[in-house]
Amino acid sequence: AQSVTQLDSQVPVFEEAPVELRCNYSSSVSVYLFWYVQYPNQGLQLLLKYLSGSTLVKGINGFEAEFNKSQTSFHLRKPSVHISDTAEYFCAVAGGGADGLTFGKGTHLIIQP
Amino acid sequence: EPEVTQTPSHQVTQMGQEVILRCVPISNHLYFYWYRQILGQKVEFLVSFYNNEISEKSEIFDDQFSVERPDGSNFTLKIRSTKLEDSAMYFCASSKGGEALQETQYFGPGTRLLVL
Repeated sequence: AQSVTQLDSQVPVFEEAPVELRCNYSSSVSVYLFWYVQYPNQGLQLLLKYLSGSTLVKGINGFEAEFNKSQTSFHLRKPSVHISDTAEYFCAVAGGGADGLTFGKGTHLIIQP
Repeated sequence: EPEVTQTPSHQVTQMGQEVILRCVPISNHLYFYWYRQILGQKVEFLVSFYNNEISEKSEIFDDQFSVERPDGSNFTLKIRSTKLEDSAMYFCASSKGGEALQETQYFGPGTRLLVL
């Protein structure tokens, strides 16, 4: 069984400041890792994913994430946030033969002007 | 850009009634999924569907739930006799197939179901 922990339910950040959203996972098998974003009243949109290879993954809208196997983490970062980045961010894992994604509880990113 | 669509966006129903949530996956996708998100909780996997049959289902997907692909475009989730605890946002998703786990799942905007 897999699980995903997003410790921060809310992260307030000033505009143009850097941000890191934390994600830790637990799995007994190799996993694939994803970050999705949900803007208000919209569905989940893929930001980036890690399947294999380079541990630093770049995604859309200037986001990137680093896979750290020893720390079982996949933290999401952006060097400079904008008001438009205000959204809910979900970390998810797939693996172990399961079809479905296992999601974390989500982190609400709040950008303050 | 092709996208997954869902109807209705909101549904209010009485406890015990049947509801059907509809989804139109992206046209060349082969895997289809339903997830739900109870308010304030995680997005949870319900079921996956491939080659006209259920591929995998979670513990949540009990006999009250069923899925169907009635034609070449729609993918539906039916809840036979709704309970209060079925109130949630229901997301449909689809992916291309092949190495399903590696393929990106594209999500629809969701249907918010409220059971009274």
